[in-house]
Amino acid sequence: KQEVTQIPAALSVPEGENLVLNCSFTDSAIYNLQWFRQDPGKGLTSLLLIQSSQREQTSGRLNASLDKSSGRSTLYIAASQPGDSATYLCAVRRNQFYFGTGTSLTVIP
Amino acid sequence: SQTIHQWPATLVQPVGSPLSLECTVEGTSNPNLYWYRQAAGRGLQLLFYSVGIGQISSEVPQNLSASRPQDRQFILSSKKLLLSDSGFYLCAWSAGPVGYEQYFGPGTRLTVT
Repeated sequence: KQEVTQIPAALSVPEGENLVLNCSFTDSAIYNLQWFRQDPGKGLTSLLLIQSSQREQTSGRLNASLDKSSGRSTLYIAASQPGDSATYLCAVRRNQFYFGTGTSLTVIP
Repeated sequence: SQTIHQWPATLVQPVGSPLSLECTVEGTSNPNLYWYRQAAGRGLQLLFYSVGIGQISSEVPQNLSASRPQDRQFILSSKKLLLSDSGFYLCAWSAGPVGYEQYFGPGTRLTVT
């Protein structure tokens, strides 16, 4: 069974800092990987989708990479802002989506 | 553009009472639909998914059930709630079974007392 791990579970950084969130998965036979953001008490907002044939995707200050063979993905956030504070979840897809438990990010003004 | 709705937003129900949560999607046809539960401190757990009207697949044995009476409507039900059913229920859709992004609704916070 696919297992998805996100480290660290929580992260606190000062505003303006660049940061990296990590996601690892045990089965490399995936179709795609998706990064989400979740604000407290809210649903998930899709940030980036990387197909299994792709190495990275970029959207604004966000860059996600995928190394399928090693079972790893990273989400890079440039010039962090207080509004980036949220929980970030990654999910890998085979026949269904498998989610990690997320990284709770706090950006301190 | 596509939108996904869930209601109610919050619900407090006693143990043993019935449950009905509704999810509707607008702006797309024949979506794949999903119900997830997010318990405190745990990841999202897929409960049910549907690739078409009347087609429901269950991922986890439980006292919950799902139905899809219309193309863009997905309902989560229970005849008798348990304390362990408390959690945050999320509905999601995607345009196809693989290779497509998944989009989530705003969720329903269920507290079973």
